Amino acid sequence: GAVVSQHPSWVICKSGTSVKIECRSLDFQATTMFWYRQFPKQSLMLMATSNEGSKATYEQGVEKDKFLINHASLTLSTLTVTSAHPEDSSFYICSARDPGGRRETQYFGPGTRLLVL
Amino acid sequence: GESVGLHLPTLSVQEGDNSIINCAYSNSASDYFIWYKQESGKGPQFIIDIRSNMDKRQGQRVTVLLNKTVKHLSLQIAATQPGDSAVYFCAERVSGNTPLVFGKGTRLSVIA
Repeated sequence: GAVVSQHPSWVICKSGTSVKIECRSLDFQATTMFWYRQFPKQSLMLMATSNEGSKATYEQGVEKDKFLINHASLTLSTLTVTSAHPEDSSFYICSARDPGGRRETQYFGPGTRLLVL
Repeated sequence: GESVGLHLPTLSVQEGDNSIINCAYSNSASDYFIWYKQESGKGPQFIIDIRSNMDKRQGQRVTVLLNKTVKHLSLQIAATQPGDSAVYFCAERVSGNTPLVFGKGTRLSVIA
């Protein structure tokens, strides 16, 4: 299947700092990527849909000014958690579809664990 | 056995037995479904998918059954192995290019 990577795999930061997470599609071009958040022992919750060359679409309850998404190219989307606080500590996972392969299937990155102290 | 509580539902099975993991999906308009396996600290891994015009699909050691009448999806794993221990999520797509919506998940624990 298609490969999606994320960087970093984990990050620890102080409260008030900003953290950038990168999501890359390695062997395909993705016009659309998705960002999910997962708290311990819970399911994945969609945060936003990232569209190449345009603004992201955020789910209800997700602050767009706090979770900045940039999809600058067909292989890279970034999520920046601005002024992070301990309640932002979570597992962030990106996902993309391969338009050249099984178009419906979403492939997931390995996730980024964020711990805000 | 299966238990439901404050944490993820857990299904415990003996190694070599068959496992059946169930999922109730929410939207009768959903046209595409996927089962994912998630190991601790990792992203979800694709297992098998099925479109709404089918009621059964088989893969290697896995079978997905879809019952649209009662909005129910199940994943059957044959000859369950210790490496199958993980959390399993069903996900549905309502239509077109909409993103997947995930179910609550079930933890499968394989007893050696």
